[in-house]
Formats: sequence, structure tokens, C-alpha cells
Amino acid sequence: GQSLEQPSEVTAVEGAIVQINCTYQTSGFYGLSWYQQHDGGAPTFLSYNALDGLEETGRFSSFLSRSDSYGYLLLQELQMKDSASYFCAGPSGGSYIPTFGRGTSLIVHP
Amino acid sequence: DTGVSQDPRHKITKRGQNVTFRCDPISEHNRLYWYRQTLGQGPEFLTYFQNEAQLEKSRLLSNRFSAERPKGSFSTLEIQRTEQGDSAMYLCASSRDGQTDTEAFFGQGTRLTVV
Repeated sequence: GQSLEQPSEVTAVEGAIVQINCTYQTSGFYGLSWYQQHDGGAPTFLSYNALDGLEETGRFSSFLSRSDSYGYLLLQELQMKDSASYFCAGPSGGSYIPTFGRGTSLIVHP
Repeated sequence: DTGVSQDPRHKITKRGQNVTFRCDPISEHNRLYWYRQTLGQGPEFLTYFQNEAQLEKSRLLSNRFSAERPKGSFSTLEIQRTEQGDSAMYLCASSRDGQTDTEAFFGQGTRLTVV
């Protein structure tokens, strides 16, 4: 099985940089994904790291360290619309089913 | 492709009634998942289909829950004898058949309220 831990809430101001951490425990590791979910909306895929290092996609970057069982999502130049919940997720078990953390609520203030 | 669609978007039912939800995945996706999400929590895995075969089912899923994907396309999730604790958002997701690729595409969900 797999369990993923992330902070419940993070606050920041517009234009700032924020980092959302995720630590995991798993019997088999296949990579770490990040999803964004606005209130009332569906989770949407942001990024996936299979190997150590940083993956950059526009204002969002995701980092993975397999030796530390740790990853993070980095959001730069924060905008009000970035206020949402962010979930780290990893494929679990022999069928590689996405398993989600409890989510981090990001609140962006003006 | 219009993405993953779910129907209905909202369902209010009385305790003890049966409900059925439908999910239409992205057409070329052969992996289909059902999740349940409650306020302040992440999506909780319920069951998984590879084409028409139901390959995984959460141990948390009681025998009141059943899911089908008869032709490997759309899927249905039925809850029998609903209880108030079943109130939640039920999410369907689909993905390609990559071994570790977890880019799952989610529908907008069906919000179930049991009164």
C-alpha cells in the first residue's frame, strides 16, 4: 500500500512563491503526481515525476527525491486563481492505481 | 473528445433507496476508476476497471456497492440501501494504459446527498 502526507493548509500573497511538500511511504514506488482541484470542480492533473529532480511546467514545478521519499510542488508568481486544493498522488499496487494524499488547501491573499 | 462525463451531477435520495450513477470515460482510455471524496479529504479509491474487467476493489467498499463496465466503455456505480454516511462526491476518472503514468482525467462528479 501507499500513504502520502502533506500539510493541510498553506497561505501566501499574490506574486509570491509557495512550496507544498509531500512525503510518502510505499511498498513499491512508481512516481509522484500532482493534481489541482478548485472548490466544486474536478481534480486536474498538473505534473508527474518518475525520476529524481525538477520538472518545470510554466509557473508550476514539481520535485522528487526518491532517496528521501519526498516531493514538492512549487508555484511561482502566485495568482488569486491558484487558490485551490493540491493533492500529491502515486500509483499503488500491481495495477498502479492513483492513490491520493488528503490535500493541501492553498489560500492566496491580495 | 469532451472528456470524462458523469450523470447525474447531483442526486438527493432518501435513506434506504438505491441509486445508480453513470460515467462515460474518454473514448480511447481503457482504465477507469471510481473514487469517493468528502469535504476536506482527497479522493478515496473505490474500484478500478481495465476494459470490462473489474480488477481492483477497495476493502472499504461494502457489499451495498457494485460497479459494472459491460462493454469496456461506460461504467455504472450502484449503491443499494443508501445510508447517510454514503453522502459524498463520487468521482470517475479514466486514463491510458501506461504502466506508471498516473495522468488520470476526472469527471465533474456526482454529488450524492442521502436524507
